[in-house]
Amino acid sequence: KQEVTQIPAALSVPEGENLVLNCSFTDSAIYNLQWFRQDPGKGLTSLLLIQSSQREQTSGRLNASLDKSSGRSTLYIAASQPGDSATYLCAVSPLPLNTGGFKTIFGAGTRLFVKA
Amino acid sequence: AAGVIQSPRHLIKEKRETATLKCYPIPRHDTVYWYQQGPGQDPQFLISFYEKMQSDKGSIPDRFSAQQFSDYHSELNMSSLELGDSALYFCASSLRELNTEAFFGQGTRLTVV
Repeated sequence: KQEVTQIPAALSVPEGENLVLNCSFTDSAIYNLQWFRQDPGKGLTSLLLIQSSQREQTSGRLNASLDKSSGRSTLYIAASQPGDSATYLCAVSPLPLNTGGFKTIFGAGTRLFVKA
Repeated sequence: AAGVIQSPRHLIKEKRETATLKCYPIPRHDTVYWYQQGPGQDPQFLISFYEKMQSDKGSIPDRFSAQQFSDYHSELNMSSLELGDSALYFCASSLRELNTEAFFGQGTRLTVV
């Protein structure tokens, strides 16, 4: 059974600091891995998607890496800003089922607070 | 670009009532997923549909049912509501082909009082 763990559960950093969020998963047979951002009481915003054949993806100040063999992914945020304060969720999708469906399994998230 | 649309955005129901949540996937997407996120919890997979047929089932209570219609929109029907059903319900959609990703809607916040 796939399990996704995120460390740390919460993080508080001063503005401008570079930071790394960690995600680990128990089953390396994944289809893709996504990082999401969720503001309190709001929906999920997809930040980066890494296909199982890829090693990393970049978008602006964000960089996500994937090491399937070790079951790890990291989300690197450069020059953090107060507006980055949110919960960051890591989610993996197992290989598609024969029925064509596949589901996303989420980690518990890392709550980030960037102090001005 | 069109995103996944969920309605209503907020819903308040009393215990033992019934609720229906709707999800309109991104145009051309043929697969829909439903997730439940309780307070302070991570989203939990409930059920998914591909081409109007149930494709996978997670931790969905027997009191809940769902279906996908010919226009690919989906509805989650929840009966005999309990206080513990209060949560944010997300819908996601994808296109069944290689390298697709799931796009999530903004969610429906259900409060059972």
